[in-house]
Amino acid sequence: GAGVSQSPSNKVTEKGKDVELRCDPISGHTALYWYRQSLGQGLEFLIYFQGNSAPDKSGLPSDRFSAERTGGSVSTLTIQRTQQEDSAVYLCASSPLGGRYGYTFGSGTRLTVV
Amino acid sequence: RKEVEQDPGPFNVPEGATVAFNCTYSNSASQSFFWYRQDCRKEPKLLMSVYSSGNEDGRFTAQLNRASQYISLLIRDSKLSDSATYLCVVDYNNNDMRFGAGTRLTVKP
Repeated sequence: GAGVSQSPSNKVTEKGKDVELRCDPISGHTALYWYRQSLGQGLEFLIYFQGNSAPDKSGLPSDRFSAERTGGSVSTLTIQRTQQEDSAVYLCASSPLGGRYGYTFGSGTRLTVV
Repeated sequence: RKEVEQDPGPFNVPEGATVAFNCTYSNSASQSFFWYRQDCRKEPKLLMSVYSSGNEDGRFTAQLNRASQYISLLIRDSKLSDSATYLCVVDYNNNDMRFGAGTRLTVKP
């Protein structure tokens, strides 16, 4: 597609359940990032993939969070045993060659943990 | 100290006003700088890159001061449609881009 696609756009889940969020980056973009944004707050870096290199996971807030990127394209962010503080908008962005050329963001997944 | 700091505002200005935002960063080795715009409940969108020599795009001017480690965004002749949150983005450490918390601008008629 022409842009970064994220699904689902909204997700309501019960506390303790696992969720998977999907990101389909722009074709040919080697870099892929996950951020999250709580209501009224700035963006919080979660994880960064660049080509076939090992991902930078330094932003993941706990071991309940994990992410994969298959075949250098689609990425899945998994949150296990969700907690209410996980409620946020999860944004995915991709870039042609790392961040030096700016990012294109998807429209995000709004996660609500009840 | 936060890696990227911005005045959160809000900035409330009348149409036609000139408004400027500053953003400071802590990593002197940072190489890439951007301004993003984020509308309410939308994703951030790239507004402009910031080049060492400064750059202009219509009513928007971005400048970089490496010695003082800040970047700025100047908006001239502000429009109602400029109302948004403006995010400063800095290449913190080898493609680890860090976002400021954003500066909220409201342009009023």
